Amino acid sequence: GENVEQHPSTLSVQEGDSAVIKCTYSDSASNYFPWYKQELGKRPQLIIDIRSNVGEKKDQRIAVTLNKTAKHFSLHITETQPEDSAVYFCAAIVNDMRFGAGTRLTVKP
Amino acid sequence: EPEVTQTPSHQVTQMGQEVILRCVPISNHLYFYWYRQILGQKVEFLVSFYNNEISEKSEIFDDQFSVERPDGSNFTLKIRSTKLEDSAMYFCASSERVGGHGNQPQHFGDGTRLSIL
Repeated sequence: GENVEQHPSTLSVQEGDSAVIKCTYSDSASNYFPWYKQELGKRPQLIIDIRSNVGEKKDQRIAVTLNKTAKHFSLHITETQPEDSAVYFCAAIVNDMRFGAGTRLTVKP
Repeated sequence: EPEVTQTPSHQVTQMGQEVILRCVPISNHLYFYWYRQILGQKVEFLVSFYNNEISEKSEIFDDQFSVERPDGSNFTLKIRSTKLEDSAMYFCASSERVGGHGNQPQHFGDGTRLSIL
């Protein structure tokens, strides 16, 4: 089945800096790549997604890039704010959704 | 905004007992899912359900687990003969029908924290 690797496991940035989280996937048939933000004790919340027919997508301070050839995709957060602090999960879907291990992002004021 | 709702929020059960976790998916969604998240770990896929049958299931979803849509609104996960290692947060999710655009976003409920004693 699909295997999703996510790096780094923890990331600490200063407020206003950018944060980048990277994921790789194993199944070239994967066609949908969502990113979820999970605050402590809460549900995963979809923040952005990208389909395999698109290379990049942006929504305000958040952007995602996809390289199908290399089978990797990345989340970019610009102008980080303390409220961006959370665990971020990437995922890939062929027939079912497989998550990466998560990145704990800390934004220091 | 419509939400996936799950009950109970916390379930404490003795080892060996059966538990039923309940979910009400978003009303116009046709695909339903259960996921598990052990404390501090990643979210793990258990099962997907469409048109009153299981579409996909993971290696975790063995004979101990079953799912059901007993009526037009509820979607349940039953865990028989619970074990200590079943302690986790269980999330239900739903999505709109998969169409020509491929997979649709999955929306998660707040989860049920299952504690096995």
